[in-house]
Amino acid sequence: DVKVTQSSRYLVKRTGEKVFLECVQDMDHENMFWYRQDPGLGLRLIYFSYDVKMKEKGDIPEGYSVSREKKERFSLILESASTNQTSMYLCASSLAHRGGPLHFGNGTRLTVT
Amino acid sequence: SQKIEQNSEALNIQEGKTATLTCNYTNYSPAYLQWYRQDPGRGPVFLLLIRENEKEKRKERLKVTFDTTLKQSLFHITASQPADSATYLCALDMNGGFKTIFGAGTRLFVKA
Repeated sequence: DVKVTQSSRYLVKRTGEKVFLECVQDMDHENMFWYRQDPGLGLRLIYFSYDVKMKEKGDIPEGYSVSREKKERFSLILESASTNQTSMYLCASSLAHRGGPLHFGNGTRLTVT
Repeated sequence: SQKIEQNSEALNIQEGKTATLTCNYTNYSPAYLQWYRQDPGRGPVFLLLIRENEKEKRKERLKVTFDTTLKQSLFHITASQPADSATYLCALDMNGGFKTIFGAGTRLFVKA
């Protein structure tokens, strides 16, 4: 089974801090994704990557950046955390072809105070 | 832009009955439509995928239909069990890209 591991289940950060969320997958998947999930809004795509060092903006990239230096690792960076970035962050991976199922990690619940 | 609508109200059914969840979308039809299950505090888990040229897909007690004319997918769980209680998410893969967009999900409660 594909395993997608997010480094932290819970994080509490202060406004203005730089925050790193790490995600590692073990199935050699080309595509990796970062979503945030908020009540009533569902999952919203922040960024995705279809290859090492490649990245594409999703629907809500503002305030975020990403890094993919190795195929198995995809990092989400909050340059200067704000309270409206308090959310559940979900990382996912999939095989190269379009339309394949996404394999999710168990999420990082980030609280910015 | 493409939007997905799932019933925001929770669905409560009795054990043994069939649960039917609805996913409606606007604008153009997706290449693929997927259903996921999400338990509290966990990431979504993939259940079924149906392509635009398929009308129906089954997997054990699960059945998904895809009507591109109505722009709707129905997700059925037959002989439902309390262990089926979870939030079910509908997701669309758009042509020409890698983006999968999700509905907000419908919470299902199955009472014993």
